[in-house]
Amino acid sequence: QSALTQPPSASGSPGQSVTISCTGTSSDVGGYNYVSWYQQHPGKAPKVMIYEVSKRPSGVPDRFSGSKSGNTASLTVSGLQAEDEADYYCSSYGGSILWVFGTGTKVTVL
Amino acid sequence: EVQLVESGGGLVQPGGSLRLSCAASGFTFSDHDMDWVRQAPGKGLEWVGRARRKARSYKTEYAASVIGRFTVSRDDSKNSLYLQMNSLKTEDTAVYYCARDSGLYHTDYWGQGTLVTVSS
Repeated sequence: QSALTQPPSASGSPGQSVTISCTGTSSDVGGYNYVSWYQQHPGKAPKVMIYEVSKRPSGVPDRFSGSKSGNTASLTVSGLQAEDEADYYCSSYGGSILWVFGTGTKVTVL
Repeated sequence: EVQLVESGGGLVQPGGSLRLSCAASGFTFSDHDMDWVRQAPGKGLEWVGRARRKARSYKTEYAASVIGRFTVSRDDSKNSLYLQMNSLKTEDTAVYYCARDSGLYHTDYWGQGTLVTVSS
């Protein structure tokens, strides 16, 4: 099973919004509402920001939101802040393969 | 406070073996499925394998890239997760993370990772 496809990079100025896409297949993203998003700062472990497509764990700002349409999921970061600059990975339940991650997107705050 | 602490990484030659450990604390270890996820230098995340909890019959599952070479196990009495890696290849070079499954189809806590380098 191949990795989910994400754009390599995305950017925005402070206060703006950025949206990251995550494209899979009907066997993963399109087949289940179990898409999660992880934020990773350099040299640090990933941190879950969104789970089950659009749910936010306690402590995650409501500037982070998720959605899904067909085989593509999206993460939107509104009101960009300097600390949002990081790598972001989507992940989806894949049935027999269990879990598949996205290729990763580097978000730059200009 | 939930803590996951990996150990056992290091330099190993191609074809060699290594055993990673993950010590868990701050939660009831036996209630959770546990994962290993790796990240090659400068690359993305890759799920490696899972050790399910007792209620799921301690079933183990693996990514295709490691089937037959890696074995995930757990010892609930020691609150520990293990990854036995055999027949290592240069492409197995990565930081290996231990992660807790939340029970809601995502991992909610990660360790700091341990680096495995496979090189001659």
